[in-house]
Amino acid sequence: SAVISQKPSRDICQRGTSLTIQCQVDSQVTMMFWYRQQPGQSLTLIATANQGSEATYESGFVIDKFPISRPNLTFSTLTVSNMSPEDSSIYLCSVEVSSGFRSSYEQYFGPGTRLTVT
Amino acid sequence: QKEVEQNSGPLSVPEGAIASLNCTYSDRVSQSFFWYRQYSGKSPELIMSIYSNGDKEDGRFTAQLNKASQYVSLLIRDSQPSDSATYLCAVPRGLSDYKLSFGAGTTVTVRA
Repeated sequence: SAVISQKPSRDICQRGTSLTIQCQVDSQVTMMFWYRQQPGQSLTLIATANQGSEATYESGFVIDKFPISRPNLTFSTLTVSNMSPEDSSIYLCSVEVSSGFRSSYEQYFGPGTRLTVT
Repeated sequence: QKEVEQNSGPLSVPEGAIASLNCTYSDRVSQSFFWYRQYSGKSPELIMSIYSNGDKEDGRFTAQLNKASQYVSLLIRDSQPSDSATYLCAVPRGLSDYKLSFGAGTTVTVRA
């Protein structure tokens, strides 16, 4: 498994501003992921962040709105830019860790960042 | 068809009973299957991974996989109030894709 921390744990922001969320893991990992979970909904993948390369975004998510950095193998940031109330959600980072079974991997999640945009 | 579908909830069971959660997936080549538990206000926690057909037991949890039927289930035996949570089924997209598709989740309430 992995120990993952996120900062901030929650924030209330005004529309039009930006918030950067940090994700730190206690071991080196190749793959880090950013998800969004809106109230009462399941998880939606925003993007995949590999160290040393540009993040890859899922359909419906763009780099201008959700820029991601991955400066090393233990850290990533997600910025929510030019926020609107529709961005109010929980943002989660996750990491991929070898399961120890053949070449399979498991994903572990950070505690999440609860964002409210007013 | 959604990539991952779970039986609709909420599911209410009395304490000590068995809670049965079902999940079907659309991608026949999927090889890994995961169950996450998410308490209200918390992030998902991995509670079970299963890769081979059949049953896998871990404490009071048993995962059952049937790749031919594209079906994976989770049984919670001797359900406790602390098992009250939303359970999410997750399946990678494709044989080598590390991206997970999540079901909508089934909310379980264990009545004391």
